[in-house]
Amino acid sequence: DIVMTQSPLSLPVTPGEPASISCRSSQSLLHSIGYNYLHWYLQKPGQSPQLLIYLVSNRASGVPDRFSGSGSGTDFTLKISTVEAEDVGIYYCMQTLQTPYTFGQGTKLEIK
Amino acid sequence: QVQLQESGPGLVKPSETLSLTCSVSGGSVSSGDYYWSWIRQPPGKGLEWIGYIYYSGSANYNPSLKSRVTISVDTSKNQFSLKLSSVIAADTAVYYCASLRGSYWYFDFWGRGTLVTVSS
Repeated sequence: DIVMTQSPLSLPVTPGEPASISCRSSQSLLHSIGYNYLHWYLQKPGQSPQLLIYLVSNRASGVPDRFSGSGSGTDFTLKISTVEAEDVGIYYCMQTLQTPYTFGQGTKLEIK
Repeated sequence: QVQLQESGPGLVKPSETLSLTCSVSGGSVSSGDYYWSWIRQPPGKGLEWIGYIYYSGSANYNPSLKSRVTISVDTSKNQFSLKLSSVIAADTAVYYCASLRGSYWYFDFWGRGTLVTVSS
């Protein structure tokens, strides 16, 4: 199985400040057709996960442009340019290059 | 947009079979663009992919659960279902159904989830 490792696991952030989450995979997520099958989800308190970013850097519909994703191969990053109170929750990276699909442990973002 | 709703018993006894159904609206399970999936989350823990099914009936399961899992699809009812046999306490979790967009392979829509507790 591909192991997904996120850091940090806890991320206290002051509103208006930037935030960054790292996700590393135990093997490359780059498919021969050129896509990295790495996606980001946010699970807000008491809710189901929602898609934020797909294929490394594509924002899902309705996701604010303060969210951005980057990376390739085994190293990926989710950045929030200026954190807002509504961004609290647990962020997960996930790989779908091969089954079983696997998630990172989650990064809990909280407001200072 | 696609909406999904899980339904089923919230309490299952150890060694019995957990059965859940996901009702799909705003889209069709017969759509060739999607695979229909189940994901679970034990209380306070992370996410685990259980498996998916295509409208044709072709399925793919997590090897960690494969011997106990069956996912099926009912195109006439626009639903798909999960059965997990011989449950134990460790199967207690919130179970989510989700739509997996083919070609790009991301889960774009999720149900609200349903908590299933395994206890006698």
